[in-house]
Amino acid sequence: GENVEQHPSTLSVQEGDSAVIKCTYSDSASNYFPWYKQELGKRPQLIIDIRSNVGEKKDQRIAVTLNKTAKHFSLHITETQPEDSAVYFCAASGTGGFKTIFGAGTRLFVKA
Amino acid sequence: DAGITQSPRHKVTETGTPVTLRCHQTENHRYMYWYRQDPGHGLRLIHYSYGVKDTDKGEVSDGYSVSRSKTEDFLLTLESATSSQTSVYFCAISESLRLSSYNEQFFGPGTRLTVL
Repeated sequence: GENVEQHPSTLSVQEGDSAVIKCTYSDSASNYFPWYKQELGKRPQLIIDIRSNVGEKKDQRIAVTLNKTAKHFSLHITETQPEDSAVYFCAASGTGGFKTIFGAGTRLFVKA
Repeated sequence: DAGITQSPRHKVTETGTPVTLRCHQTENHRYMYWYRQDPGHGLRLIHYSYGVKDTDKGEVSDGYSVSRSKTEDFLLTLESATSSQTSVYFCAISESLRLSSYNEQFFGPGTRLTVL
């Protein structure tokens, strides 16, 4: 069935360093790729997304890249800060929101 | 945060008992979803609704039923709870089915359910 694999499951970086989280998807019909941030005990919240007709998108310190041929997409966080510590989920969605498939999540620790 | 509330926020119950979780929205969004979140699995769709009385199954629907009698309320029922249904349950809403930066899926605060 459709699947989204996310790596690594845990990532620890020093404050100020960059963090990269990678996802691969299996459904070639996927055309929308959101990333969510979930702080401890809170709800997931959308932080950035990308459509399949775009290769890269940036929003301040975060960026997402998409390689549609390889079915890979990645989240890049630069100049990490302690408040970036959270669980990050990637997802892949087709033409319907009910077909959104989530990755297993990456727990990011940013050490001060 | 979008106007989504869930009740109860925490519940402990025993195996075999029925449980109903409620999701309430004030955004008048057409689409509503129930997910469960478990370590190592991310979020998995249980059921979704595309209108009043219109619902369909997601990827992990066994053991769950849903109802939507009003636009603003989406109920998730565990007819006979099992320990494998111990999880955190999130409700979500979206204005249309085609997700985008302008039509994102908003999540509720979650319900932590423990089945003993």
